[in-house]
Amino acid sequence: EVQLVESGGGLVKPGGSLRLSCAASGFTFSSYSMNWVRQAPGKGLEWVSSISSSSSYIYYADSVKGRFTISRDNAKNSLYLQMNSLRAEDTAVYYCARDGAADSSGYYGGMDVWGQGTTVTVSS
Amino acid sequence: EIVMTQSPATLSVSPGERATLSCRASQSVSSNLAWYQQKPGQAPRLLIYGASTRATGIPARFSGSGSGTEFTLTISSLQSEDFAVYYCQQYNNWPLFGQGTKLEIK
Repeated sequence: EVQLVESGGGLVKPGGSLRLSCAASGFTFSSYSMNWVRQAPGKGLEWVSSISSSSSYIYYADSVKGRFTISRDNAKNSLYLQMNSLRAEDTAVYYCARDGAADSSGYYGGMDVWGQGTTVTVSS
Repeated sequence: EIVMTQSPATLSVSPGERATLSCRASQSVSSNLAWYQQKPGQAPRLLIYGASTRATGIPARFSGSGSGTEFTLTISSLQSEDFAVYYCQQYNNWPLFGQGTKLEIK
């Protein structure tokens, strides 16, 4: 079964740090780009960061640039998000999601596999 | 920077009827557009990618259309399990989601 399982969420004080992990199984992890997407309470989806299959390409949303670092370990089938200088507005459920294969015309394949999410709460 | 705008914010439709959800990009994203469904307490589920291709296991009542800046998700005959929040998402170097449309029972 294709699966993503996030862990590492919790309660942290403003200015603190947290490292999220996402364990992948059931597919060849090293062949896929991966993403972190978050959802603040009662709000919509917000893309956070993406990393290509070999870590050659990394992108961040402006809201987290300079504070968050995405990484992956293909040998361990794992994706990570190191979050530093956390703010109250970073409070959210954080999902890891796999980039699907492009369609037959080469167009974007969407995020086709999602984890169940891990909750990060930033509060004093 | 591209901005994705979904309309309406809330759509009230009766079961069995057709629902039409819109998504507009501030500049062309070609067909690099996906649609997701999210139910309360659940992760999003991919419905449509490449603007019009149904993802694996998605019923035929879901269809996507459009290219460039105007996109539509149509649900031909609403079932009870279809009432949820729907997001469009473009990919132009990096992903960006619309703000969502809540589809509720009329």
